[in-house]
Formats: sequence, structure tokens, C-alpha cells
Amino acid sequence: EIVLTQSPGTLSLSPGEGVTLSCRASQSVDSRFLDWYQQKPGQAPRLLIYAASSRAPGISNRFSASGSGTDFTLTISRLEPEDLAVYYCHQCASPPYNFGQGTNLEI
Amino acid sequence: QVQLVESGGGVVQPGRSLRLSCAASESTFSSYSMHWVRQAPGKGLEWVAVISSDGSEIYYADSVKARFSISRDNSKNTLYLQMNSLRPEDTALYYCTRGGYGDPQGSFDIWGQGTAVTVSS
Repeated sequence: EIVLTQSPGTLSLSPGEGVTLSCRASQSVDSRFLDWYQQKPGQAPRLLIYAASSRAPGISNRFSASGSGTDFTLTISRLEPEDLAVYYCHQCASPPYNFGQGTNLEI
Repeated sequence: QVQLVESGGGVVQPGRSLRLSCAASESTFSSYSMHWVRQAPGKGLEWVAVISSDGSEIYYADSVKARFSISRDNSKNTLYLQMNSLRPEDTALYYCTRGGYGDPQGSFDIWGQGTAVTVSS
């Protein structure tokens, strides 16, 4: 079973700042199967990044991601109030298709 | 774009059963694996189960194995989750979400709005 650990748990930042979120896997993950999701308050999750670094359709280029093996990152530049959300990394390589515990981003 | 609409949630006593449904708006439903993901109140996302496009591959989280059963009817564009022997810790918002093309691997690109399940006496 692949366990994903995200850090930090909570971040409080100001509009205009940039931030990098971390996701570490307990074993190597094929980067084709590492995703990031955004969940805004009261909403369903939304796919943000797939295959470790590809933006999903309609996602702002302020969001970028990278990584391989066991270490992955999501970077958000020029934070906007609408970026207030919980961000989850996720592996869809092998069952159980676990999520990280999430990073709560406060703006 | 495909839309997913869950239904069937409600309040149920511990030990009882409930069946959730997820209706897809397009017939492309039959080409993709489908997952159930849940979220307990104030908690993170927990993957629950997956079924491949043709139903030949099914996997469950350990927390629901032997109690929950995932199935699909491609002729009706509908996904199901039969939940038996429900426990208070199964209380959550249950989302259906579309996975990879064909097999279970692949990102969850489309999500429903969820159906709430409360297990309480």
C-alpha cells in the first residue's frame, strides 16, 4: 500500500504570494499516476494536475507541479483569494488508490 | 461534459444496509472505470472502491472490504454501491468519480456532488 504524506498541514498566506506544497510517497509512484486535487469549501474535489505535472483543462497556469519517484510538489504562484481550498495529492497507480491527508490553504 | 449525479443517501441505523447510485449523463460512461470516494465530516478524502469499465476488475479499501459491493449497469449508465453492515464510521459524503479509460488506473477527472450517508441509532 502506498501512503502519501503531505506537508505542511495548514498554510496561511496573503494574496500575491507564492507557495509550494509537498507530497511524499512511502514508495516510488509512477509519475503518470500522481495527481493533485483542489477542494474548495462546500464543493466536490476538482482535478488540478494529472500525471505529476500536466494541468487539467481549464486550470490556471498559476498552478504548476513536478516530481518523480517519492517526492512531488505543487506550486501556486500569485495567490488569489479564490485559491482558498484544501489540496490533496493522490496516486492512481495501484489499489488502494490513496489520497494524502491534504494541505489546507488559507488566504 | 459528462455529469455524475449520486443518490440514495440518508440516515440509517448501524448494521443496516443502503444502496447508492450514480447516474451518468452520457453513454461514454461505459468506457471508463468508476470509483467511489468518501469524506467524513471535517475529514479528508478516502478512496472506497473501483470497478473497471467492463466490471472485470474490482478493488476495495480495507475499511469496507466484505461489507460494500460496487457494481455497474452500462446499459443504464449507472454505478452502484451496496453498503451492508453499516457502522457509524461509514458516515460520510459519498462521491462517485470517473477514473481511467478502461482499467482502474487513471485520474479522477469528473466528480459528482455527493450523497450524504449518516449511520446513527
